[in-house]
Amino acid sequence: GAVVSQHPSRVICKSGTSVKIECRSLDFQATTMFWYRQFPKKSLMLMATSNEGSKATYEQGVEKDKFLINHASLTLSTLTVTSAHPEDSSFYICSAPSGTSGFTDTQYFGPGTRLTVL
Amino acid sequence: GQQLNQSPQSMFIQEGEDVSMNCTSSSIFNTWLWYKQEPGEGPVLLIALYKAGELTSNGRLTAQFGITRKDSFLNISASIPSDVGIYFCAGIASGTYKYIFGTGTRLKVLA
Repeated sequence: GAVVSQHPSRVICKSGTSVKIECRSLDFQATTMFWYRQFPKKSLMLMATSNEGSKATYEQGVEKDKFLINHASLTLSTLTVTSAHPEDSSFYICSAPSGTSGFTDTQYFGPGTRLTVL
Repeated sequence: GQQLNQSPQSMFIQEGEDVSMNCTSSSIFNTWLWYKQEPGEGPVLLIALYKAGELTSNGRLTAQFGITRKDSFLNISASIPSDVGIYFCAGIASGTYKYIFGTGTRLKVLA
């Protein structure tokens, strides 16, 4: 299957700082990528849809100024958690659809990034 | 956000036993997918289903897309210790490309 990577896998930061998480599609191009958040022992919740060359689409309740998304190329999307607070601590996972149909193709997930805000 | 109802929430089974879990929704989905997630990792796709009534196998795993398009089940036959993990269903509703995830089934296999 298609390979999606994330970097870093773990990050610990101080409250008030910003953290950038990268999501890369390694063997395919992705005009669309998705960012999810997962709390311990919970399911994945879609945060936003990242679109190459245009603005991201955020789900209801997700602060766009808090979670900045940039999809600068066909293989890279970044999520920046700005002015992080302890309640932002979570497991962040990206995914990308692989195929010729675009964003309706099956999504492949990255390995996730565990963010801990002290 | 919306989630699919998945049951059971957790299962403890003996190695060699068969496992069955299901996912239900109050609304219709056009696609059902099953993923497995291990601790600290992202979900890995197991099976994708695209048509009502479709029955698809992947090794010891079998999944079906319910006729009503509101449910799906996943069976694992002859479980082994490496089947341990959390299994999530995901559905895609008509007119959208977004995944709605199930609440997950945590599977533990006792050797």
